[in-house]
Amino acid sequence: AQKVTQAQTEISVVEKEDVTLDCVYETRDTTYYLFWYKQPPSGELVFLIRRNSFDEQNEISGRYSWNFQKSTSSFNFTITASQVVDSAVYFCALSEPYNAGNMLTFGGGTRLMVKP
Amino acid sequence: EAGVTQSPTHLIKTRGQQATLRCSPISGHTSVYWYQQALGLGLQFLLWYDEGEERNRGNFPPRFSGRQFPNYSSELNVNALELEDSALYLCASSTGLAGGPFQETQYFGPGTRLLVL
Repeated sequence: AQKVTQAQTEISVVEKEDVTLDCVYETRDTTYYLFWYKQPPSGELVFLIRRNSFDEQNEISGRYSWNFQKSTSSFNFTITASQVVDSAVYFCALSEPYNAGNMLTFGGGTRLMVKP
Repeated sequence: EAGVTQSPTHLIKTRGQQATLRCSPISGHTSVYWYQQALGLGLQFLLWYDEGEERNRGNFPPRFSGRQFPNYSSELNVNALELEDSALYLCASSTGLAGGPFQETQYFGPGTRLLVL
């Protein structure tokens, strides 16, 4: 069965610090997709990134970067030089389209608080 | 381009009543998904509709049901409301199955906050 674990329930940093959010997943499929979403206080989930299981290239988008390592079943997310606007709950999610349809299995989320 | 829209934003019901939540997908998207985010339970998959058909269902009782209309909008119905149904209900949309069983990105709406008293 698919499972996503975000061991850090809450992280607090001071503005301009770098922070890494951990995500570990479990799957039996060889084809799967991983996602990160941001949920600000308004509640809407904002898509950040999608990765498929065959693409282990790390990605950088501005201050955001993602490290996908199949060997450790991890898909970690780093925010460089954090800002107050980064304060939100971040969710990692997994889908196995050939096994479980298009449903997303979410981790429990990590609440990030960036203090000025 | 308009994103996923949901209505109402807030809904207050009493135990035993029925609730109807609505979702309009992004233009061009044929798949609609429903998720429940209850306090302490995280985000849980409820239902997936594509081209008017129910494609997958999460581990929820039958009193959670829905449908998808010809214009791809969707309704989620919750019958015989219970206190534990109080949650944020999120709708998402994506391009559908026409291109194959691969995972397209799901884009979420702002949600409907349901409170059952």
